[in-house]
Amino acid sequence: EIVMTQSPATLSVSPGERATLSCRASQSVNNNLVWYQQEPGQPPRLLVYGASTRAPGVPDRFSGSGSGTEFTLTISSVQSEDFAVYFCQQYDNWPPTYTFGQGTNLKIK
Amino acid sequence: QVQLQQWGAGLLKPGETLSLTCAVYNGSFSGYYWSWVRLSPGKGLEWIGEIGHRGTTNYNPSLGTQIAISGDSSKNQFSLKLIYVTAADTGVYYCARVRPLSVGRPFDYWGQGTPVTVSS
Repeated sequence: EIVMTQSPATLSVSPGERATLSCRASQSVNNNLVWYQQEPGQPPRLLVYGASTRAPGVPDRFSGSGSGTEFTLTISSVQSEDFAVYFCQQYDNWPPTYTFGQGTNLKIK
Repeated sequence: QVQLQQWGAGLLKPGETLSLTCAVYNGSFSGYYWSWVRLSPGKGLEWIGEIGHRGTTNYNPSLGTQIAISGDSSKNQFSLKLIYVTAADTGVYYCARVRPLSVGRPFDYWGQGTPVTVSS
């Protein structure tokens, strides 16, 4: 089973600052990497898939990068509505399984 | 705008069966996979399983034979049954649409979530 590890567990930034969130896979997932944002009481929201493709409607301050085992989600200038929990997810096609990281809680400083 | 609406009992006793249903509105049932995902305090987000529009199912191996997912394309609905629940099955359960042709097979639309508590 592929294990996804996110760091840091909590990241405190001030509005307007850059935020860099990391996700590491225990073995290569190529670019089968997805990022979600989840606010309290809401379902997750798709941000990025294929490691770097933004989902429709996602602001361009969100960018994803990486391949293989190391991935990054960058928020270039954090806005008030961005304070939430962020999850990464990988897909393995044999057997078909999806695995999530444990999340990074982006908090206001 | 695609909408997923889910429903089912949220309070169960250990050993009972969890049953949830998700209806898809304003979108096609075919051409996609349809998944169940849960969020629990101990495990974070966990994929439970999925069904394709032709009935093909894939399940999380860690949940083994505890799961059954079925679908009804005539009603644009799919359902989850989780048998012999324990306290470890407590959490918020979500239904979600999978984009099988996108890299990473992302979940692009989600239901509102159903809180489930297992307690004697």
